[in-house]
Amino acid sequence: GENVEQHPSTLSVQEGDSAVIKCTYSDSASNYFPWYKQELGKGPQLIIDIRSNVGEKKDQRIAVTLNKTAKHFSLHITETQPEDSAVYFCAASIEWAGNMLTFGGGTRLMVKP
Amino acid sequence: DAEITQSPRHKITETGRQVTLACHQTWNHNNMFWYRQDLGHGLRLIHYSYGVQDTNKGEVSDGYSVSRSNTEDLPLTLESAASSQTSVYFCASSGTSGSSNEQFFGPGTRLTVL
Repeated sequence: GENVEQHPSTLSVQEGDSAVIKCTYSDSASNYFPWYKQELGKGPQLIIDIRSNVGEKKDQRIAVTLNKTAKHFSLHITETQPEDSAVYFCAASIEWAGNMLTFGGGTRLMVKP
Repeated sequence: DAEITQSPRHKITETGRQVTLACHQTWNHNNMFWYRQDLGHGLRLIHYSYGVQDTNKGEVSDGYSVSRSNTEDLPLTLESAASSQTSVYFCASSGTSGSSNEQFFGPGTRLTVL
């Protein structure tokens, strides 16, 4: 089955700096890669996703890049703000095959004001 | 507004007791999922369902069961609770293939087994 590794497990940045979280996956058939943000006491919420026919996707201050050959994808947050502090999860799945997500272990991002 | 709810939000039980966690969604989604969240393990899939009367085992299904009698609900049952099942449980739902694959998560249930 699919295996997703996520690094780092914790990340501390100064407000205004950029943050990068990296994930690798094992199943070359995976073609859908969402990122979820989980705030304290809440369920995860989708913030951005990317499909394997695209190399990069941006949405305001967040962007995701995908390298299919190397089987890794990354989340980039620019101009970090204190409200970006949360746990972030990457995931992988084979779209159209049941939408079962395999999650990485999570990254706790702390943005210091 | 459509939503997904879980109850109870917190539960303390004893080893060996049967426990049922409720999940209810008003999105009219066919797909529903149960995950457990433990430090260092992210979210691991317990069971999932693609529609009424359909249930499937996930990565960590031992000791858990689900049933799907209608579109809105997927209750998770721990037949005989064990301390290793102390965790935070999340329910999620998503639309069928052809629509968005986004999974919408409930607020979670924190279960403690003493």
